[in-house]
Amino acid sequence: QQPVQSPQAVILREGEDAVINCSSSKALYSVHWYRQKHGEAPVFLMILLKGGEQKGHEKISASFNEKKQQSSLYLTASQLSYSGTYFCGRRGGSNYKLTFGKGTLLTVNP
Amino acid sequence: DSGVTQTPKHLITATGQRVTLRCSPRSGDLSVYWYQQSLDQGLQFLIQYYNGEERAKGNILERFSAQQFPDLHSELNLSSLELGDSALYFCASSVGVEANEKLFFGSGTQLSVL
Repeated sequence: QQPVQSPQAVILREGEDAVINCSSSKALYSVHWYRQKHGEAPVFLMILLKGGEQKGHEKISASFNEKKQQSSLYLTASQLSYSGTYFCGRRGGSNYKLTFGKGTLLTVNP
Repeated sequence: DSGVTQTPKHLITATGQRVTLRCSPRSGDLSVYWYQQSLDQGLQFLIQYYNGEERAKGNILERFSAQQFPDLHSELNLSSLELGDSALYFCASSVGVEANEKLFFGSGTQLSVL
């Protein structure tokens, strides 16, 4: 089942912060975050494996609340290069297939 | 460059036709995934192979089929094409199939059915 992402889109000015949320109605064994720039392939950002785990990637970090089956991606002091569509992915079930949400379009303006 | 190669980059065909999309995974990766991306549906999981065997299936239509060959490259066959099959098809690969495996995506094949 597809994770649900919110918001669907967000517009920022350079330097502002944003939070993208991802929730699942089914058990999350791991949460994956990818970014896709326009006309390009998705690129891996990070994986969170354990409940409560937080990871960081430059000024982008994420948390994973296993109990609530939720993950959040935090973008601080956004840069123009952060623009793109962010996808969260859920690995679950016995076969660990990776199912993505519909994505959050992030636009950072000067 | 992710190391995953997809061919062709663009494909234009007519309704009712059959096409084959090809994917070569990164060197050393045993698992291949296929995703369909359309504007309103995001990245839809189609199917996954691991070392030649089907590992997981998503909402793949019966008109679509795939396989992974002994050299680990994979092909996605789409038949009796309909207008709604027009989309960007991504292949991705990973070393294995565990929860901590990250995916590397190819640049995709843009399919246009006219």
